[in-house]
Amino acid sequence: DAGVIQSPRHEVTEMGQEVTLRCKPISGHNSLFWYRQTMMRGLELLIYFNNNVPIDDSGMPEDRFSAKMPNASFSTLKIQPSEPRDSAVYFCASSLGLAPGRGGLETQYFGPGTRLLVL
Amino acid sequence: TQLLEQSPQFLSIQEGENLTVYCNSSSVFSSLQWYRQEPGEGPVLLVTVVTGGEVKKLKRLTFQFGDARKDSSLHITAAQPGDTGLYLCAGGTSGTYKYIFGTGTRLKVLA
Repeated sequence: DAGVIQSPRHEVTEMGQEVTLRCKPISGHNSLFWYRQTMMRGLELLIYFNNNVPIDDSGMPEDRFSAKMPNASFSTLKIQPSEPRDSAVYFCASSLGLAPGRGGLETQYFGPGTRLLVL
Repeated sequence: TQLLEQSPQFLSIQEGENLTVYCNSSSVFSSLQWYRQEPGEGPVLLVTVVTGGEVKKLKRLTFQFGDARKDSSLHITAAQPGDTGLYLCAGGTSGTYKYIFGTGTRLKVLA
């Protein structure tokens, strides 16, 4: 398996522009997670899906951020409009997501991340 | 709000030394995971502990889950340059797929 695939790997954009990050989870995985990592705040969970349905978006910073999962093999995280404080590494991760009762027991497989710089 | 505090935040040691990294919370977790992240890559799972007091060993790495399931430690024996990286603990809760990640410990092992 190719693992979790993210694109682009690097993105440089100007403040106010729209940014779309893409993720392809591991085939057969039912849960998908979007994280943001910075030196100041560490690794923060933004949103996660199970069976393509958003379960918890309490970590999404504000209305400028939105995430979709139209099917089991694709998800996007969109920032519109982008701001310099959004500069970070954004990770997508997937896990089996078999049942909530197994929460805490599953392995999350992370993609290589998208390094975003907003000027 | 569940928080996981890791200490120390940074650690630079010589090859061959031993070290311990701590992960503490005021909340109870049903499981505790440890991940290692290398520069330019995503975190990779090292171990999952689920029982209070549980100890797991992975070669030179020893992981322990606190009796009350609120804290954990990672001990590395005879550290090697290949152990260099960011170590993250993550707390899991039964009934949710969500994990809370710790603040991280950045380890550098000098040859």
